[in-house]
Amino acid sequence: DTGVSQNPRHKITKRGQNVTFRCDPISEHNRLYWYRQTLGQGPEFLTYFQNEAQLEKSRLLSDRFSAERPKGSFSTLEIQRTEQGDSAMYLCASSPRTSGAFSYEQYFGPGTRLTVT
Amino acid sequence: KQEVTQIPAALSVPEGENLVLNCSFTDSAIYNLQWFRQDPGKGLTSLLLIQSSQREQTSGRLNASLDKSSGRSTLYIAASQPGDSATYLCAVRQSTGGGADGLTFGKGTHLIIQP
Repeated sequence: DTGVSQNPRHKITKRGQNVTFRCDPISEHNRLYWYRQTLGQGPEFLTYFQNEAQLEKSRLLSDRFSAERPKGSFSTLEIQRTEQGDSAMYLCASSPRTSGAFSYEQYFGPGTRLTVT
Repeated sequence: KQEVTQIPAALSVPEGENLVLNCSFTDSAIYNLQWFRQDPGKGLTSLLLIQSSQREQTSGRLNASLDKSSGRSTLYIAASQPGDSATYLCAVRQSTGGGADGLTFGKGTHLIIQP
């Protein structure tokens, strides 16, 4: 098992362009999460999936942000019409399915650093 | 809304010292608390996970405690080494309210161990 992987690792784009990031979770992990981290801050939760179902998306920062996990394996996060304020590290994490109050660890990928010029 | 605070924001100590990092949270309705390490420009590495029913967890030189009722956790690092230099983040998983499974993070403690 190679852990959570994210691609690309770095992305530089011009304001107004669309960008898409990919996350491959640890195999057989049902849950997949997206977070955003800006400089000097802790990660901020955006959305998560259980298999292919997106169970929480109210935390997405605006309607320019969307995420998919079409076959319950890898996931993509898309940002449309990027703005300079979108510059940040975008982190993906995965975990096995939780069982009521018992939770497993979330395992994070290396992140995609987005710079909007 | 859950808020997580980590004190101190930064810490610099000589190699070999034992140290304590603090984390507090405002809403005690949590399922668990997780400590992470983050190296500059990298992703997060999970260190310890404490379920809400547990009081502490240990891994090697690391020991984390949880006092859920008072909204506090500590991460104890024994015999610190230069390789421990990193930012340490504390995060909680809420058991009530929106956001279901997402973690709420503090801003982290930036730790430097001087050789």
